Amino acid sequence: ETGVTQTPRHLVMGMTNKKSLKCEQHLGHNAMYWYKQSAKKPLELMFVYNFKEQTENNSVPSRFSPECPNSSHLFLHLHTLQPEDSALYLCASSQDRGPLSNSPLHFGNGTRLTVT
Amino acid sequence: DAKTTQPPSMDCAEGRAANLPCNHSTISGNEYVYWYRQIHSQGPQYIIHGLKNNETNEMASLIITEDRKSSTLILPHATLRDTAVYYCIVLTGTASKLTFGTGTRLQVTL
Repeated sequence: ETGVTQTPRHLVMGMTNKKSLKCEQHLGHNAMYWYKQSAKKPLELMFVYNFKEQTENNSVPSRFSPECPNSSHLFLHLHTLQPEDSALYLCASSQDRGPLSNSPLHFGNGTRLTVT
Repeated sequence: DAKTTQPPSMDCAEGRAANLPCNHSTISGNEYVYWYRQIHSQGPQYIIHGLKNNETNEMASLIITEDRKSSTLILPHATLRDTAVYYCIVLTGTASKLTFGTGTRLQVTL
Protein backbone atom coordinates (compact mmCIF):
# COMPACT_ATOMS: atom_id res chain seq x y z
CA GLU A 1 0.00 0.00 0.00
CA THR A 2 1.68 3.18 -1.17
CA GLY A 3 -0.99 5.72 -0.18
CA VAL A 4 -1.55 6.45 -3.87
CA THR A 5 -4.15 4.25 -5.59
CA GLN A 6 -4.54 3.98 -9.33
CA THR A 7 -7.37 2.32 -11.24
CA PRO A 8 -7.60 0.37 -13.38
CA ARG A 9 -4.32 -1.56 -13.14
CA HIS A 10 -4.63 -2.69 -16.75
CA LEU A 11 -6.53 -1.17 -19.67
CA VAL A 12 -6.84 -2.20 -23.30
CA MET A 13 -8.51 0.28 -25.61
CA GLY A 14 -9.00 0.85 -29.30
CA MET A 15 -7.88 4.00 -31.04
CA THR A 16 -11.43 5.36 -31.24
CA ASN A 17 -12.34 4.69 -27.60
CA LYS A 18 -12.59 7.18 -24.76
CA LYS A 19 -11.42 6.05 -21.34
CA SER A 20 -10.24 7.62 -18.09
CA LEU A 21 -7.52 6.75 -15.62
CA LYS A 22 -8.13 7.52 -11.97
CA CYS A 23 -5.73 8.34 -9.16
CA GLU A 24 -6.49 8.92 -5.50
CA GLN A 25 -4.02 9.83 -2.78
CA HIS A 26 -4.63 9.32 0.94
CA LEU A 27 -1.57 11.20 2.16
CA GLY A 28 -2.93 14.72 2.53
CA HIS A 29 -0.61 16.01 -0.19
CA ASN A 30 -1.35 19.12 -2.23
CA ALA A 31 0.50 18.32 -5.46
CA MET A 32 -0.28 15.53 -7.93
CA TYR A 33 1.49 14.38 -11.08
CA TRP A 34 1.04 12.21 -14.15
CA TYR A 35 4.09 10.40 -15.53
CA LYS A 36 4.43 8.14 -18.56
CA GLN A 37 6.84 5.20 -18.61
CA SER A 38 7.39 3.57 -21.99
CA ALA A 39 9.38 0.39 -22.47
CA LYS A 40 13.13 0.95 -22.11
CA LYS A 41 12.72 4.73 -21.68
CA PRO A 42 13.04 6.90 -18.59
CA LEU A 43 9.99 8.29 -16.83
CA GLU A 44 8.49 11.30 -18.59
CA LEU A 45 6.65 13.97 -16.65
CA MET A 46 3.30 14.83 -18.27
CA PHE A 47 1.29 17.10 -15.97
CA VAL A 48 1.60 18.72 -12.55
CA TYR A 49 -1.22 20.00 -10.36
CA ASN A 50 -0.72 22.07 -7.23
CA PHE A 51 -3.76 22.82 -5.07
CA LYS A 52 -5.99 21.68 -7.98
CA GLU A 53 -4.36 24.12 -10.41
CA GLN A 54 -2.38 22.82 -13.36
CA THR A 55 1.13 24.21 -13.05
CA GLU A 56 2.92 22.22 -15.75
CA ASN A 57 2.04 20.66 -19.07
CA ASN A 58 5.09 19.04 -20.57
CA SER A 59 4.07 19.45 -24.22
CA VAL A 60 1.61 16.60 -23.96
CA PRO A 61 -0.69 15.98 -26.97
CA SER A 62 -4.29 17.10 -26.51
CA ARG A 63 -5.54 13.51 -26.75
CA PHE A 64 -4.47 13.34 -23.09
CA SER A 65 -6.66 15.56 -20.91
CA PRO A 66 -6.04 15.80 -17.16
CA GLU A 67 -8.60 16.75 -14.53
CA CYS A 68 -8.03 17.51 -10.85
CA PRO A 69 -11.33 18.10 -9.02
CA ASN A 70 -9.65 18.29 -5.61
CA SER A 71 -6.26 17.75 -4.03
CA SER A 72 -6.92 14.05 -3.47
CA HIS A 73 -8.11 13.01 -6.92
CA LEU A 74 -6.55 13.16 -10.36
CA PHE A 75 -7.89 11.86 -13.66
CA LEU A 76 -6.37 11.38 -17.08
CA HIS A 77 -8.96 11.34 -19.84
CA LEU A 78 -7.90 9.53 -22.98
CA HIS A 79 -9.38 9.80 -26.48
CA THR A 80 -8.28 8.83 -29.97
CA LEU A 81 -4.98 7.44 -28.73
CA GLN A 82 -2.30 5.91 -30.92
CA PRO A 83 -0.56 2.54 -30.47
CA GLU A 84 2.65 4.37 -29.48
CA ASP A 85 0.77 5.73 -26.44
CA SER A 86 0.85 2.23 -24.96
CA ALA A 87 2.80 2.57 -21.72
CA LEU A 88 2.65 2.48 -17.94
CA TYR A 89 0.96 5.64 -16.67
CA LEU A 90 1.99 6.57 -13.17
CA CYS A 91 0.38 8.97 -10.76
CA ALA A 92 2.34 10.57 -7.91
CA SER A 93 1.75 13.05 -5.12
CA SER A 94 3.89 15.22 -2.87
CA GLN A 95 3.60 17.85 -0.19
CA ASP A 96 4.75 20.81 -2.23
CA ARG A 97 5.75 23.70 -0.03
CA GLY A 98 6.97 26.02 -2.76
CA PRO A 99 9.83 26.41 -5.23
CA LEU A 100 12.48 25.16 -2.82
CA SER A 101 10.46 22.27 -1.47
CA ASN A 102 12.33 19.00 -1.32
CA SER A 103 9.41 16.78 -0.46
CA PRO A 104 9.72 13.39 -2.16
CA LEU A 105 7.18 11.96 -4.56
CA HIS A 106 4.98 9.03 -3.64
CA PHE A 107 3.94 6.96 -6.65
CA GLY A 108 1.04 4.65 -7.34
CA ASN A 109 1.58 1.32 -9.07
CA GLY A 110 0.38 2.64 -12.39
CA THR A 111 -2.08 1.71 -15.10
CA ARG A 112 -0.67 -0.50 -17.85
CA LEU A 113 -2.31 0.87 -21.01
CA THR A 114 -2.39 -0.98 -24.32
CA VAL A 115 -3.78 0.80 -27.37
CA THR A 116 -4.81 -1.52 -30.20
CA ASP B 1 19.77 19.92 -12.52
CA ALA B 2 23.02 17.95 -12.24
CA LYS B 3 23.54 14.78 -14.23
CA THR B 4 24.19 11.49 -12.44
CA THR B 5 26.16 8.41 -13.43
CA GLN B 6 25.35 4.95 -12.08
CA PRO B 7 26.57 1.47 -13.02
CA PRO B 8 23.94 -0.28 -15.14
CA SER B 9 23.80 -3.40 -12.98
CA MET B 10 25.03 -4.97 -9.75
CA ASP B 11 24.65 -8.28 -7.95
CA CYS B 12 24.44 -8.81 -4.21
CA ALA B 13 24.09 -11.94 -2.10
CA GLU B 14 21.09 -12.08 0.18
CA GLY B 15 21.93 -10.96 3.70
CA ARG B 16 24.93 -8.95 2.61
CA ALA B 17 25.10 -5.18 2.35
CA ALA B 18 24.35 -3.71 -1.06
CA ASN B 19 26.37 -0.57 -1.81
CA LEU B 20 25.10 1.35 -4.82
CA PRO B 21 27.34 4.18 -6.05
CA CYS B 22 26.36 7.36 -7.83
CA ASN B 23 28.53 10.08 -9.32
CA HIS B 24 27.20 13.63 -9.51
CA SER B 25 30.31 15.71 -10.06
CA THR B 26 28.41 18.77 -11.31
CA ILE B 27 26.11 19.00 -8.30
CA SER B 28 25.48 22.54 -7.08
CA GLY B 29 25.30 23.71 -3.49
CA ASN B 30 21.53 23.66 -3.12
CA GLU B 31 20.85 20.38 -4.92
CA TYR B 32 19.64 17.40 -2.95
CA VAL B 33 20.54 13.78 -3.68
CA TYR B 34 17.47 11.53 -3.91
CA TRP B 35 17.24 7.77 -4.26
CA TYR B 36 14.21 5.92 -5.58
CA ARG B 37 13.77 2.33 -6.64
CA GLN B 38 11.34 0.58 -8.95
CA ILE B 39 10.44 -3.03 -8.41
CA HIS B 40 9.12 -4.82 -11.48
CA SER B 41 5.48 -3.95 -12.27
CA GLN B 42 5.28 -1.34 -9.53
CA GLY B 43 5.64 2.43 -9.38
CA PRO B 44 8.87 4.04 -8.18
CA GLN B 45 9.34 4.05 -4.42
CA TYR B 46 11.07 6.86 -2.53
CA ILE B 47 13.96 5.58 -0.40
CA ILE B 48 15.94 8.47 1.05
CA HIS B 49 17.37 11.89 0.30
CA GLY B 50 20.06 14.20 1.67
CA LEU B 51 21.93 17.44 1.13
CA LYS B 52 25.31 17.25 2.87
CA ASN B 53 25.11 15.00 5.88
CA ASN B 54 24.77 11.24 5.84
CA GLU B 55 21.21 10.08 6.34
CA THR B 56 19.66 6.88 7.62
CA ASN B 57 16.10 5.63 7.76
CA GLU B 58 14.38 2.28 8.13
CA MET B 59 15.12 1.35 4.53
CA ALA B 60 18.67 2.47 3.86
CA SER B 61 21.62 4.74 4.56
CA LEU B 62 22.89 7.50 2.31
CA ILE B 63 26.56 8.39 2.43
CA ILE B 64 27.51 11.65 0.66
CA THR B 65 31.19 12.47 0.17
CA GLU B 66 32.52 15.67 1.68
CA ASP B 67 32.86 17.32 -1.74
CA ARG B 68 29.31 16.07 -2.59
CA LYS B 69 30.46 14.80 -5.97
CA SER B 70 29.38 11.25 -5.25
CA SER B 71 27.18 9.26 -2.94
CA THR B 72 26.47 5.67 -1.96
CA LEU B 73 23.15 4.09 -1.08
CA ILE B 74 23.56 1.26 1.40
CA LEU B 75 20.99 -1.47 1.95
CA PRO B 76 22.45 -3.06 5.08
CA HIS B 77 20.98 -6.56 4.73
CA ALA B 78 19.72 -7.09 1.19
CA THR B 79 16.81 -9.47 0.62
CA LEU B 80 15.34 -10.92 -2.55
CA ARG B 81 12.60 -8.29 -2.33
CA ASP B 82 15.23 -5.57 -2.78
CA THR B 83 15.78 -6.68 -6.39
CA ALA B 84 14.86 -3.56 -8.36
CA VAL B 85 16.17 -0.68 -10.46
CA TYR B 86 17.67 2.00 -8.21
CA TYR B 87 17.69 5.61 -9.36
CA CYS B 88 19.97 8.34 -8.06
CA ILE B 89 18.69 11.83 -8.82
CA VAL B 90 19.95 15.28 -7.90
CA LEU B 91 17.73 18.32 -8.02
CA THR B 92 16.74 21.47 -6.30
CA GLY B 93 13.35 22.92 -5.82
CA THR B 94 10.04 21.37 -6.56
CA ALA B 95 9.57 17.66 -6.96
CA SER B 96 8.00 18.36 -10.33
CA LYS B 97 11.53 18.68 -11.69
CA LEU B 98 12.27 15.06 -10.82
CA THR B 99 13.64 13.21 -13.85
CA PHE B 100 14.78 9.61 -13.87
CA GLY B 101 17.77 8.25 -15.77
CA THR B 102 18.43 4.57 -16.44
CA GLY B 103 19.50 3.65 -12.88
CA THR B 104 21.25 0.56 -11.53
CA ARG B 105 19.54 -2.81 -11.79
CA LEU B 106 20.29 -4.58 -8.49
CA GLN B 107 19.88 -8.35 -8.50
CA VAL B 108 19.87 -9.96 -5.06
CA THR B 109 20.64 -13.66 -5.20
CA LEU B 110 20.49 -16.59 -2.77
